[in-house]
Amino acid sequence: EAQVTQNPRYLITVTGKKLTVTCSQNMNHEYMSWYRQDPGLGLRQIYYSMNVEVTDKGDVPEGYKVSRKEKRNFPLILESPSPNQTSLYFCASSLTESNYEQYFGPGTRLTVT
Amino acid sequence: EDQVTQSPEALRLQEGESSSLNCSYTVSGLRGLFWYRQDPGKGPEFLFTLYSAGEEKEKERLKATLTKKESFLHITAPKPEDSATYLCAVQPGDDYKLSFGAGTTVTVRA
Repeated sequence: EAQVTQNPRYLITVTGKKLTVTCSQNMNHEYMSWYRQDPGLGLRQIYYSMNVEVTDKGDVPEGYKVSRKEKRNFPLILESPSPNQTSLYFCASSLTESNYEQYFGPGTRLTVT
Repeated sequence: EDQVTQSPEALRLQEGESSSLNCSYTVSGLRGLFWYRQDPGKGPEFLFTLYSAGEEKEKERLKATLTKKESFLHITAPKPEDSATYLCAVQPGDDYKLSFGAGTTVTVRA
């Protein structure tokens, strides 16, 4: 089954404790992206990667890092999480950067206390 | 900075009552405009891509149209299963990032 998986689905952590949210797709997609979704603000893009060699900032990259060492994986790293990073996070992938039939993962709900 | 504004924020319809959702945008060039549907607790699901003014796309009871400044998602004779949040997104001509609007939550009552 073609899908984007994220882990964990739910995470409660404390301020400053480094964490990683994994994202993996099995569709051989080139383009992968991370979003956060907050009430009233909609989906905001954090980082995107057009392929394993190119990663770029979205609209809200501050406080986040990403890594694209393999085509299928695109982990999101929070080096020192803060309460304002409490949000619902989605990973997505599409065949190329110009093909916007993006497939979204199920989401990761993160709470930072 | 790219801006995407969706209206209304919420829309309550009776089954069979057709209506339209609006997505107005400001972007430096337009590579594409996209519509997604999101059900509660799930990730967005792709509906349409529109590339140029005058273009239209249809899928079941949904029809998306595009002008130079806005896009409309028309819902014809909606059913309760059309209840969802509909998201609009744009990609500028000189970049590959994607900017989403806040969405319109549609509730269709039987």
